[in-house]
Amino acid sequence: DTGVSQNPRHKITKRGQNVTFRCDPISEHNRLYWYRQTLGQGPEFLTYFQNEAQLEKSRLLSDRFSAERPKGSFSTLEIQRTEQGDSAMYLCASSPLQGGPQHFGDGTRLSIL
Amino acid sequence: QKEVEQDPGPLSVPEGAIVSLNCTYSNSAFQYFMWYRQYSRKGPELLMYTYSSGNKEDGRFTAQVDKSSKYISLFIRDSQPSDSATYLCAMSHNSGGSNYKLTFGKGTLLTVNP
Repeated sequence: DTGVSQNPRHKITKRGQNVTFRCDPISEHNRLYWYRQTLGQGPEFLTYFQNEAQLEKSRLLSDRFSAERPKGSFSTLEIQRTEQGDSAMYLCASSPLQGGPQHFGDGTRLSIL
Repeated sequence: QKEVEQDPGPLSVPEGAIVSLNCTYSNSAFQYFMWYRQYSRKGPELLMYTYSSGNKEDGRFTAQVDKSSKYISLFIRDSQPSDSATYLCAMSHNSGGSNYKLTFGKGTLLTVNP
């Protein structure tokens, strides 16, 4: 039973560039979540999918952020025109449709130069 | 006031000590309570998952939930150096039948000294 997989593990980019992260959830987990974690803080909720439907988006998710889960399996999170304040760890989690705890990947650490 | 409050520490204990970690919360709608352990540069790893008030034990770990006081605890017995990590409390509610997003505390940094 493989866990949640995230790629890349670390992304370094210049301010203004676009970046895309990928998350592969635990197989057969219908729910997929994205969180953002900055240094010294707990993760903060960004958005949530049930199968391919994006059901909720946080106010933290500005217009520069977009997330997709086209076939209800893997998901991508894209940040356009990156800013210094986007530097953070981006975490993905998944859980079964019938409920239960969320299991996290090891995240993608984004560094903006 | 944040919905979930957690003392960030740091907390330093000798090996073998009993560790007590705590969180308080303000949203009475929270029904599900979790503790995660997070090592440096890694994702949160689920330790305990509870639904109701009371105690739940798993090996050296015991989780306590007191909904009347809006207070949850994690106890670690016989602490080991490998327990050194950040411990995050998290909680969620089932409002509307589909909202399971987690609200986290800041995390407590624990160091267990050999």
